[in-house]
This record gives sequence, C-alpha cells and structure tokens, in this order.
Amino acid sequence: KAGVTQTPRYLIKTRGQQVTLSCSPISGHRSVSWYQQTPGQGLQFLFEYFSETQRNKGNFPGRFSGRQFSNSRSEMNVSTLELGDSALYLCASRQGQSGNTIYFGEGSWLTVV
Amino acid sequence: EDKVVQSPLSLVVHEGDTVTLNCSYEVTNFRSLLWYKQEKKAPTFLFMLTSSGIEKKSGRLSSILDKKELFSILNITATQTGDSAVYLCAVVGAQGAQKLVFGQGTRLTINP
Repeated sequence: KAGVTQTPRYLIKTRGQQVTLSCSPISGHRSVSWYQQTPGQGLQFLFEYFSETQRNKGNFPGRFSGRQFSNSRSEMNVSTLELGDSALYLCASRQGQSGNTIYFGEGSWLTVV
Repeated sequence: EDKVVQSPLSLVVHEGDTVTLNCSYEVTNFRSLLWYKQEKKAPTFLFMLTSSGIEKKSGRLSSILDKKELFSILNITATQTGDSAVYLCAVVGAQGAQKLVFGQGTRLTINP
C-alpha cells in the first residue's frame, strides 16, 4: 500500500511568487491535513480537509489556502511568497475523521529567495 | 491555547544506554497523544496513546500516558545509533480530527 505522496519534493521560488503543493493520501484515507515545519517554530498545523470540506484551520495568514478533491487528493497554495515561508510542508492523512493513526508524507521542501 | 512541552530538547548518550523522553501537555478535551520519530524526512508514527496507565510497547521502545498528571514518557532501551533522530510528541484536543499540536521535539544522538 503506497504511503502519503507529496509533490514536488523540492522547489525554489522567488519572493512574491505563488506556489502550489500537491498531496495524495494513502488509498482509502479521506482526511488530509497540512503542516509547516521550520527550525524556529517547529511543526505547525495549517489546515485540515475531510470530504472536500475544510474542517479546521491554523493561525496562518490568508495567503495560505488549500482544497481537497473528490478523490481525496489535496493541494495547498501559498501566494505572494515571503522569505519566512521557506519551510518543509508536510501532508498527513487519516482514514476517518478521528480515532485513527495519522501518517505523514515525505514533505515538500520550499525555499524562497 | 493547547500546548505541548518536551524535555530534554537535546540528549546525547552512548550506544546501549536507556533513555527516557518526556512530554507534558495542556489541551482542551484531550483525545490522544502521539509519538513520532523524525530523521531527515517525514515523521514516522511510533505510538498513539488514549488511555492512562496502559503501556504501549514496540521492541525496545515503550510509552505510557498519565492523563491525571498530563504527561507521557517514551523509553528506549539498549539504544542503537539508528535511534538517533528527533522524537516528536503531539496531542489531539477539542478541535480534534487531524489538528495535532506538536512539542518542540527532543533531538536524540546515540554515539557508538
């Protein structure tokens, strides 16, 4: 069974640009969430989707957005990139809405220059 | 606001030693506590704890939760160099579902 798959794995963007990251959850998992990991702030929750609906959102500015498709795949978008957006973006999936183990993908390393 | 604090932040031991990593938390309507191991990639799931006093064990690793005192420990016995990693503790609270609140992590280094 394939794990959580994230693309691209590495990317470099310029300040002011926008970026879209993609996540395919484990087959059969309908719940997807996104996290940002930086050396200074650690792992921080961005948002969570279940059945194409955003269920929860972390304390990030509106430049960070996401969506989930009917096949449970998810994308997150960051517009008007800032240097501080450089981070590892992790996607996680879970089978249901609660009570199950959460599995992480390998992450997308974003560098903003 | 939900909060997770791990200690120590960094630990260096020799191969064969036993280590105990600590995680204390403050969370509204606690649901579960999870331990992950992170090397230079995605966090790998270790344990999920929901009930107090019940030890979860996997090989040389074990973990227990104390819901009264709001903490958990992760024990690793007979450590090996491959155990070197950052160990992350996370809790799920009232907002539930997939919102994990993570601690800062404990960076464990095992020297041969």
